[in-house]
Amino acid sequence: QKEVEQDPGPLSVPEGAIVSLNCTYSNSAFQYFMWYRQYSRKGPELLMYTYSSGNKEDGRFTAQVDKSSKYISLFIRDSQPSDSATYLCAMKTGANNLFFGTGTRLTVIP
Amino acid sequence: DSGVTQTPKHLITATGQRVTLRCSPRSGDLSVYWYQQSLDQGLQFLIQYYNGEERAKGNILERFSAQQFPDLHSELNLSSLELGDSALYFCASSVFAGGGQGAGGYTFGSGTRLTVV
Repeated sequence: QKEVEQDPGPLSVPEGAIVSLNCTYSNSAFQYFMWYRQYSRKGPELLMYTYSSGNKEDGRFTAQVDKSSKYISLFIRDSQPSDSATYLCAMKTGANNLFFGTGTRLTVIP
Repeated sequence: DSGVTQTPKHLITATGQRVTLRCSPRSGDLSVYWYQQSLDQGLQFLIQYYNGEERAKGNILERFSAQQFPDLHSELNLSSLELGDSALYFCASSVFAGGGQGAGGYTFGSGTRLTVV
């Protein structure tokens, strides 16, 4: 079993839709949870970072962590064509390295 | 521009050959991480260096090796290349060994696309 599982999609939504991206994990020691966005032919860039359980909002993006269910989510409101990218969840324990999901490819159709 | 520089951007080579990928971390970052990204495996952690010393090893093959030099740039050496080694290779850097800022402070370069024919 992989430590981090993510549905690879692809996911296509119309412009303005609410997008929900999810990951599950098996290691209960993970404390730091991140979402990275990767545009085609580019390196991943940090989008959202959350410590432990709870919600974090940044503009149109909301990250949720439910440690009891080992489940994290990223919501994108009012999705835009410029949001079309691959979204990777990532997580880690204290000083160890990041474990990534395989990424979900999102396309927002104008 | 993320501040992490990777060269070359593209590399095409034959099976059995050896290549070297180079990474210059963001200014001030001491830690360098190498990741391999293929279509079916996602981002796989290979190895980490912190201030010149190997810090952690992931799923790195014995045919692969890396080092970090005194000026903090890093090189990833891939030898006896096989078709399955074709992938995107990313370098990331951070200030601290654990990622910095509590966790999330990895900055990725744009990657080197390696094609083995």
